[in-house]
Parts: sequence; C-alpha cells; structure tokens
Amino acid sequence: EVQLVESGGGPVKPGGSLRLSCVASGFTFSIYTIHWVRQAPGRGLEWVSSISSSSSYINYAGSVKGRFSISRDNVKNSVYLQMNSLRAEDTAVYYCARAHSNLVDYWGQGTLVTVSS
Amino acid sequence: QSVLTQPPSVSAAPGQTVTISCSGSTSNIGGNSVSWYQHVPGTAPKLLVSDNNERPSGIPDRFSASKSGTSATLGITGLQTGDEADYYCGTWDGSLSAGVFGGGTKLTVL
Repeated sequence: EVQLVESGGGPVKPGGSLRLSCVASGFTFSIYTIHWVRQAPGRGLEWVSSISSSSSYINYAGSVKGRFSISRDNVKNSVYLQMNSLRAEDTAVYYCARAHSNLVDYWGQGTLVTVSS
Repeated sequence: QSVLTQPPSVSAAPGQTVTISCSGSTSNIGGNSVSWYQHVPGTAPKLLVSDNNERPSGIPDRFSASKSGTSATLGITGLQTGDEADYYCGTWDGSLSAGVFGGGTKLTVL
C-alpha cells in the first residue's frame, strides 16, 4: 500500500523557519518525483514545489521561490521542505504527493503550518 | 487567481449527471494530460481520473474525463450524496515549470 506521511508542521512566528518531512512507503521511492502542495484556510489547492527522483530537477512556485528549499534522501525514503522567512500567507495544510502523469496520484494526510505572531 | 479556471460550484439531484469544466491554455491543458481530484475537507485529496480516462483501482466508472484543446471536463453520472466534495483539475504548466490547479468546484448533491 502506497503511504506518504508528513510531519514537522506547527505554529511559527512570521519570519521564522520550519522543516517539513515526508516519509514514503509501499513503492519504489527512488524512481519517483515528489511534489508538495498546500491548501490555505478557505482556499483551493496550490502547488508548491517538486523534486525529481535523483534531485536533478527542482521547481518552485513563484510565491515561495527564494524562501523554500526542497530536498530528498532516497536511502531514508524521505523528502524535506525547508521553509524560511515564513509569512502569514504561508499558513496552510501542506501535503506531499507522488508524481503521476503530469501531476500527482497518491497524497499524504497533510501537516498544518500556522504562521502567526 | 488560479491558472486553471473552474466554476465555483455545481449542484444536481441524486441519480443525475453533472459536468465540471476546467479551462486553461496551450502551456498547460493544451499540451499535457489533466488529472481530476476529489477533496473532502479534512482528508487527503484523491485522484479520480485523468483525461485519458485512466482511473485508479477502486474509482467507479461513474467518473469520466475528457479534454478538447485547452479545456477539460469531469463528468459524474448517477450522483450519490457521498459525492459531495470539492473537485479540482490539475496539470503541469510547461511555461511556468510548475504544477497548476483549478480553483476548485464545490459539488452539492441536493
């Protein structure tokens, strides 16, 4: 069974940092691109970032470029999202998801990040 | 403002059919396959179908998808109260080098 489990969310003050983790199981992690997608309260889904299987291709949404950094460890079946200079508008549930076709198929349950003073 | 455009809401009675549209451009829908997702708030989004009508196991054939040019459509037949959820289209945008989603459509089964 494909599983993706996010962790690392929580409250943080504006300007602060947080590192999210996503641990995968049930599939050959090392051959898949992994994406991060978020949903702010009352808003729709927003794509955040993706990292290819060998970390050769990395992409970011314009809203997080220069502040967020994605990485992965294929030995630990894990993907990370380092979030710096956090803003109130970064408050959201963050999901990691496995790549499929031109976007994703399986999603994790999400981890909530709350940026507030 | 989402890159892909969906109607905010649709509604229909149980047993009826509903369609949800998704409009984009040549850099996203026009050049890439489109996936549709069902999201019940508080749960993980679920892949329903791609525009080649590929469905994950467990997804009934009541859910279908199509694409023409820079627009895509999700169809749901035999509506059930359990289908009430938010529905999103999504794909890759080659010009942005980014994933893109529609703003979401809330389905109400009256």
